[in-house]
Amino acid sequence: EIVMTQSPGTLSVSPGERATLSCRASQSVSSNLAWYQQKPGQAPRLLIYGASTRATGIPARFSGSGSGTEFALTISSLQSEDSAVYYCQQYNNWPPFTFGPGTKVDIK
Amino acid sequence: QVRLQESGPALVKPSETLSLTCTVSGGSFSLYYWSWIRQPPGKGLEWIGYISDSGSANFNPSLKSRVTISMDTSKNQFSLKVSSVTAADTAVYYCARGVGATHFQNWGQGTLVSVSS
Repeated sequence: EIVMTQSPGTLSVSPGERATLSCRASQSVSSNLAWYQQKPGQAPRLLIYGASTRATGIPARFSGSGSGTEFALTISSLQSEDSAVYYCQQYNNWPPFTFGPGTKVDIK
Repeated sequence: QVRLQESGPALVKPSETLSLTCTVSGGSFSLYYWSWIRQPPGKGLEWIGYISDSGSANFNPSLKSRVTISMDTSKNQFSLKVSSVTAADTAVYYCARGVGATHFQNWGQGTLVSVSS
């Protein structure tokens, strides 16, 4: 099973600043990685798939990068509505599909 | 716009079987994979399993012996059964639509299932 790790656990960023979230896989997942945003009491929402392709309707301030074992999600100019937990998920080696433990983004 | 809605009992007794149904509206079953994912309170996401549009299923090895997923395309529904539940199975259960065996494009709102006597 591929283990996904995420850092930091919590990120506090001021509005308008850049936020960079990291995701690491225990072995290569090529570019078969997705990012999700989950707000309290809501289901996760797909942000990025294929490591760098934005899902339909996702603002351009969200971008993904990386391949192999190291990935990043960048929010270029943080908005108040971006306060959420962000999860990465690999779909290269399955079963099972596996998720990271999440990074919580707080607005300062 | 596809919509997914989970339904089923909110409370299940230990050792019994958890049963949930996901009703899909606004979209076809064809060309997609239909998954169940769960999230214990305050914790992360765990993929349980999927059923494909052709009816083939695949499961998380950690749950495989207790899980069944089936679908009824005539009703636009797919279902989850988890047998011999314990308190560790208490979670919000989500159904989700996947583009093949890849990422999860659309999610239901989730339903909390508690295991308690």
